[in-house]
Amino acid sequence: GGIITQTPKFLIGQEGQKLTLKCQQNFNHDTMYWYRQDSGKGLRLIYYSITENDLQKGDLSEGYDASREKKSSFSLTVTSAQKNEMAVFLCASFDRGNTEVFFGKGTRLTVV
Amino acid sequence: GDSVTQTEGLVTLTEGLPVMLNCTYQTIYSNPFLFWYVQHLNESPRLLLKSFTDNKRTEHQGFHATLHKSSSSFHLQKSSAQLSDSALYYCALSDHNVLYFGSGTKLTVEP
Repeated sequence: GGIITQTPKFLIGQEGQKLTLKCQQNFNHDTMYWYRQDSGKGLRLIYYSITENDLQKGDLSEGYDASREKKSSFSLTVTSAQKNEMAVFLCASFDRGNTEVFFGKGTRLTVV
Repeated sequence: GDSVTQTEGLVTLTEGLPVMLNCTYQTIYSNPFLFWYVQHLNESPRLLLKSFTDNKRTEHQGFHATLHKSSSSFHLQKSSAQLSDSALYYCALSDHNVLYFGSGTKLTVEP
């Protein structure tokens, strides 16, 4: 079986700082996603990528950039961290053959 | 655009009682995939069950759901709740590229 690894697990940043979250998958899946999880708001799509070097904006893309330089990796950048921003960012990849999405364990962001 | 609605944010049940979590969706896609994902505390979401066949019951780990395209619904049910079912449950819709999630229902099962 495969695994999705997100780093770091916890990220503390300062207001206005540019922060990068990383995700690696060894499933060899083409499509990868970044979701933001907030209590009571579900999982909201920030960016997704259907292949290497492809980027598609989700509903929550403002304030974020993404990069897919290799098939196995998908990074997310918070361009300017907002004070009191707390959320969990989940990376995922899509097994098209079985129509199933697999998630990483998440990066918990706190901005002070 | 595509969207998923879960009307209950919090559901609290006594062990042994039946579970029903509501899910309705909107999509322009004629053959959507519907999913239920479960997320236990301090874990990542994982697939519970999925369906793309109209009016066919799908089951897994004691839970079941039936996709009804006529009412755009995919409600999750279980005949008897267990303490270990306490978790966050997400209904999701796929247009075959993107998975759209509902806001989630937190299920708490009490003794």
